[in-house]
Amino acid sequence: QQPVQSPQAVILREGEDAVINCSSSKALYSVHWYRQKHGEAPVFLMILLKGGEQKGHDKISASFNEKKQQSSLYLTASQLSYSGTYFCGTEMLGSGNTGKLIFGQGTTLQVKP
Amino acid sequence: SQTIHQWPATLVQPVGSPLSLECTVEGTSNPNLYWYRQAAGRGLQLLFYSVGIGQISSEVPQNLSASRPQDRQFILSSKKLLLSDSGFYLCAWSRDRGDEQYFGPGTRLTVT
Repeated sequence: QQPVQSPQAVILREGEDAVINCSSSKALYSVHWYRQKHGEAPVFLMILLKGGEQKGHDKISASFNEKKQQSSLYLTASQLSYSGTYFCGTEMLGSGNTGKLIFGQGTTLQVKP
Repeated sequence: SQTIHQWPATLVQPVGSPLSLECTVEGTSNPNLYWYRQAAGRGLQLLFYSVGIGQISSEVPQNLSASRPQDRQFILSSKKLLLSDSGFYLCAWSRDRGDEQYFGPGTRLTVT
């Protein structure tokens, strides 16, 4: 049930773009994206809901392909502050009103000057 | 505004000792509450979630338990800690399904 993230790690130069993918084998109600800095708690970035509604930052975008149960997070013109580990959390259809998320294994992003 | 507190921030406990980690949320009512564990360099593993007082669901069978004695209080416990219980424990809350989860600062537990 755990979603699969790819790639596992990315190294970028400032100003470059990156795409992080998240795939599930189960039908999803929503996909959440979080960024975690070393030693800190995860911070919310983006939610994509079944039906296409999207909430999140304006400098980071994401898509949700309901047919494929895949989500992609797009980081454009990366900044040093984008460094960290990115997690997708998936909420499956049929999980009721629990809001329960199953997280992927994470993608480590390093932005260099 | 809503805030979430966790304590203690760090804890070192011997194998076989009990554990109690506390999480409280302020500024909202009837939140969904979650306990996660993160092993070093790994992802977030959901341990327990609660949609209301006294309602606890366990995701992973283990020697941990959770309780929700009040609407905005979530407690993680163990009677006897194992070495494998070491990790970063995170509490989170959300308003409803489809809403973002807000994480507390976490408790770093080392079992020796």
